[in-house]
Amino acid sequence: RKEVEQDPGPFNVPEGATVAFNCTYSNSASQSFFWYRQDCRKEPKLLMSVYSSGNEDGRFTAQLNRASQYISLLIRDSKLSDSATYLCAVGQGFSFIFGKGTRLLVKP
Amino acid sequence: DTAVSQTPKYLVTQMGNDKSIKCEQNLGHDTMYWYKQDSKKFLKIMFSYNNKELIINETVPNRFSPKSPDKAHLNLHINSLELGDSAVYFCASSQGGAGVHNEQFFGPGTRLTVL
Repeated sequence: RKEVEQDPGPFNVPEGATVAFNCTYSNSASQSFFWYRQDCRKEPKLLMSVYSSGNEDGRFTAQLNRASQYISLLIRDSKLSDSATYLCAVGQGFSFIFGKGTRLLVKP
Repeated sequence: DTAVSQTPKYLVTQMGNDKSIKCEQNLGHDTMYWYKQDSKKFLKIMFSYNNKELIINETVPNRFSPKSPDKAHLNLHINSLELGDSAVYFCASSQGGAGVHNEQFFGPGTRLTVL
């Protein structure tokens, strides 16, 4: 089983749609969880950390399910500018493991 | 005002050459990392350093030698470059390890092409 898995997509959605991504991880001892956004030929940029109780930042909601070992990202009211690759990251100690990313294309 | 900077941005070189990539962060973080992102966009950790000490070496060939002269710098030297080394190399930093609030900040990347 791969350590961190994501559906590669692409997810093609119209503007205004709600889209959800999931990410599963295999190491139950993982300590921290993040969603990053990566635009083409750019570096990953932190979108949000994922807390145990779930957290929201504007149109973005992240959830963690430790029992089932997955994290999720919900994007409401998609904008054209949300088009990017979304990477989940799982941390333990001084190591972070990234998923391969889910590509999102928001169309007019 | 760049938080994590890398040089050079692009590096094109011949197989067998030796090259270095430099990384600096001005965030006051104590932990720095090197990642490799291959053509399939898979971002994989190579090394992590905490307070200038090597903590993680993810089975990287010993042709890759990181050096951390101080907490703000982590350089990567690559000997005898191979075609498979072609990738984008990202430097990152965080305060501490993978704790809840210890987000990583990435540099802009160095695109290495080995011919």
